[in-house]
Amino acid sequence: GNSVTQMEGPVTLSEEAFLTINCTYTATGYPSLFWYVQYPGEGLQLLLKATKADDKGSNKGFEATYRKETTSFHLEKGSVQVSDSAVYFCALNFNQAGTALIFGKGTTLSVSS
Amino acid sequence: DAGVTQSPTHLIKTRGQQVTLRCSPKSGHDTVSWYQQALGQGPQFIFQYYEEEERQRGNFPDRFSGHQFPNYSSELNVNALLLGDSALYLCASSLADLSEKLFFGSGTQLSVL
Repeated sequence: GNSVTQMEGPVTLSEEAFLTINCTYTATGYPSLFWYVQYPGEGLQLLLKATKADDKGSNKGFEATYRKETTSFHLEKGSVQVSDSAVYFCALNFNQAGTALIFGKGTTLSVSS
Repeated sequence: DAGVTQSPTHLIKTRGQQVTLRCSPKSGHDTVSWYQQALGQGPQFIFQYYEEEERQRGNFPDRFSGHQFPNYSSELNVNALLLGDSALYLCASSLADLSEKLFFGSGTQLSVL
């Protein structure tokens, strides 16, 4: 069946360090892929998405590339800030309507100054 | 512009009871989806409502039911509560034709004792 696996956290980094959070997926067909972020005390927010192979989603300095050959959608940022501390969720959609998402378990990122 | 609002924020029930959770979508949105997020897990899709009908359903038993009203607000009902129903329940809204861009509420934390 469809599933998402992301690296377990927590991930602890110093400000300005490079960030990678790994995400791999299993899916039938060609799903869209997403990264959502949950800041402390807030609801989930869409960070970026990619709808087909080789697409790169980007937002707020974060990037992720849809890699069909490795079934991956790794999240990267060149220089993290304290304000990036949050829980990050990788997700895919499994219906054409696009709102039925399958989420990974989430990765907690903690950035210190 | 109010985002997605959910009520109540916290709720405590005992096994066997019934509960109703409420959600008001972001202004202008017509589609509501519900997710269950257990502690340490990613959200799991329960169902989606559009035009007052259930359009898509995840792998949840019939004890979970919902409703959407003409003003697009929605309710999630859970009957015969089990300890395992303890979780954060998230509501997400979207526009039907832009359904991959979900806006999430902060959730209702349900504890079943």
